[in-house]
Amino acid sequence: AQSVSQHNHHVILSEAASLELGCNYSYGGTVNLFWYVQYPGQHLQLLLKYFSGDPLVKGIKGFEAEFIKSKFSFNLRKPSVQWSDTAEYFCAVKPGSTNAGKSTFGDGTTLTVKP
Amino acid sequence: DAMVIQNPRYQVTQFGKPVTLSCSQTLNHNVMYWYQQKSSQAPKLLFHYYDKDFNNEADTPDNFQSRRPNTSFCFLDIRSPGLGDAAMYLCATSKGLAVLSSYNEQFFGPGTRLTVL
Repeated sequence: AQSVSQHNHHVILSEAASLELGCNYSYGGTVNLFWYVQYPGQHLQLLLKYFSGDPLVKGIKGFEAEFIKSKFSFNLRKPSVQWSDTAEYFCAVKPGSTNAGKSTFGDGTTLTVKP
Repeated sequence: DAMVIQNPRYQVTQFGKPVTLSCSQTLNHNVMYWYQQKSSQAPKLLFHYYDKDFNNEADTPDNFQSRRPNTSFCFLDIRSPGLGDAAMYLCATSKGLAVLSSYNEQFFGPGTRLTVL
């Protein structure tokens, strides 16, 4: 069964600091990879996605992620965070298999950005 | 704007009293999903519909059922809610299930927070 691991449960940064949130997955086949953000009191929103091609993916709000197949990783980065980036971030994996409907989410990382 | 709508946003029910949560979409997507998200945990897929084809996750309790009467609507029925079923329930849609395709991208509703007394 596939699983997704997000290494940091809670990250606290000051504004303008750089961000990297780790995401590793366990699944041997082809995958689709996603990062979602959930702002306080709001619904899940897609930040970025990887299907194929360039492993460096750029998303909304200055976020990017790099797919490293050999490491089964899809880490999220942002060079300079803002107070408004305070939210919960979820990494998700959808396999390219017969069970293509099944998304597996990581447990999430809560990011707090101090002004 | 095309979107995923969930009603109600907050639902309170009594222990053992059946409850139905509603989801509708204006995206005309083929796939609709229901997730359960407990506090500080990852969303957990309960089941999904591809058109009228129902796909239940192996570990989804029998207490949870779903109906999709048409493309736009999907319902989550909890037959006998227990205290452990208190959670946020998320509905999502995607155009399809094709791998390595934007069809796979999910759009989430705002969720319904269920409280069981």
